[in-house]
Amino acid sequence: ETGVTQTPRHLVMGMTNKKSLKCEQHLGHNAMYWYKQSAKKPLELMFVYNFKEQTENNSVPSRFSPECPNSSHLFLHLHTLQPEDSALYLCASSQAQLGSSYNEQFFGPGTRLTVL
Amino acid sequence: GQQLNQSPQSMFIQEGEDVSMNCTSSSIFNTWLWYKQDPGEGPVLLIALYKAGELTSNGRLTAQFGITRKDSFLNISASIPSDVGIYFCAGTTGTASKLTFGTGTRLQVTL
Repeated sequence: ETGVTQTPRHLVMGMTNKKSLKCEQHLGHNAMYWYKQSAKKPLELMFVYNFKEQTENNSVPSRFSPECPNSSHLFLHLHTLQPEDSALYLCASSQAQLGSSYNEQFFGPGTRLTVL
Repeated sequence: GQQLNQSPQSMFIQEGEDVSMNCTSSSIFNTWLWYKQDPGEGPVLLIALYKAGELTSNGRLTAQFGITRKDSFLNISASIPSDVGIYFCAGTTGTASKLTFGTGTRLQVTL
């Protein structure tokens, strides 16, 4: 148990659907992240939130919309996705990264998303 | 952007053998990290390296931060079945919140 939970674990959606992924951390962290893991590609950082403020958007298409209502919860709202968006979406949390000093990121188990 | 070239892509070894994998980049990294991912789970941090030349062990695992700051290796000694999984290198260049990941090494251990 890593202290980071994600729901749902599996999601199948059509290209016209709207769905949301949820992440919750129970570690007292104040930074949260969304990553995309596609087959045969490196994990790609999508978004970073520090103290509920978005500090990184790694050129992610607008059909992915993150929301961080508090330091413990992170959502990824999905709409009009494409089949190539099918992937494992991982959430992570850490203490806030201040400058170049790295604080360990703890990952959730991911949501396996399939877009038909 | 930065890229991490990880090799080998996959390894099939027998229980008890030692394993070595590495990661190289054309860019200088400030931090090198090694993660393991089991099926159906997120990556878990194994070893973190913060200084060029640093050699760090965690049980049967040993990793080094290359002196050029452009590479790192991970060794696993006396492999056991639970070592099966995908091993990722990762690193940071400027901002610590932006991790760059390698493509992973899939390790299979046979009895």
